[in-house]
Amino acid sequence: DAGVTQSPTHLIKTRGQQVTLRCSPKSGHDTVSWYQQALGQGPQFIFQYYEEEERQRGNFPDRFSGHQFPNYSSELNVNALLLGDSALYLCASTYDRVGETQYFGPGTRLLVL
Amino acid sequence: AQSVTQLGSHVSVSEGALVLLRCNYSSSVPPYLFWYVQYPNQGLQLLLKYTSAATLVKGINGFEAEFKKSETSFHLTKPSAHMSDAAEYFCAVSGPTSGTYKYIFGTGTRLKVLA
Repeated sequence: DAGVTQSPTHLIKTRGQQVTLRCSPKSGHDTVSWYQQALGQGPQFIFQYYEEEERQRGNFPDRFSGHQFPNYSSELNVNALLLGDSALYLCASTYDRVGETQYFGPGTRLLVL
Repeated sequence: AQSVTQLGSHVSVSEGALVLLRCNYSSSVPPYLFWYVQYPNQGLQLLLKYTSAATLVKGINGFEAEFKKSETSFHLTKPSAHMSDAAEYFCAVSGPTSGTYKYIFGTGTRLKVLA
């Protein structure tokens, strides 16, 4: 049973560019969340997708957007990249229930130059 | 609003010694609580979770945590540290109110195990 997978593993972009990160959830999971983990910090919640809709959002600007596909996989898009967007981006999947365990992927490390 | 505080950004213990990592939460009602471990260049792995079924929760790799409502704490312990326990540990809170799906993480505690 495959766990949560993310691609790419590493990415280098320059300021002002746009980036798309991808996530495939654990088999059977229908809910995907995205987190940003800056160096030396805990993960910060970006948003969560369920039934192809953004259900809950953290304190991130509109430059951060996402999508969920019918097969439950998800994308995170970041426009107009800033140096401060450099971080590890984690995807987590779960079932649609409050308090359910979220299973995390290995992350995509984004470096913005 | 919910929040999590992890006291001690770095903790060092000798191999074989007790591990104690502290987590305090702020929530109007008892939430769901989690401990995750992160090894270098990897994602987060669940150690254990509290969902109100029992106040003492046993997890993987010999770790356990006790939920203390009166102290709003959920400290992580392990009787005997192993070199392989060296990693970063995160406490997280979620729920329980409807619509509160996100996890709120603490800033993490980096555990160093000395030979």
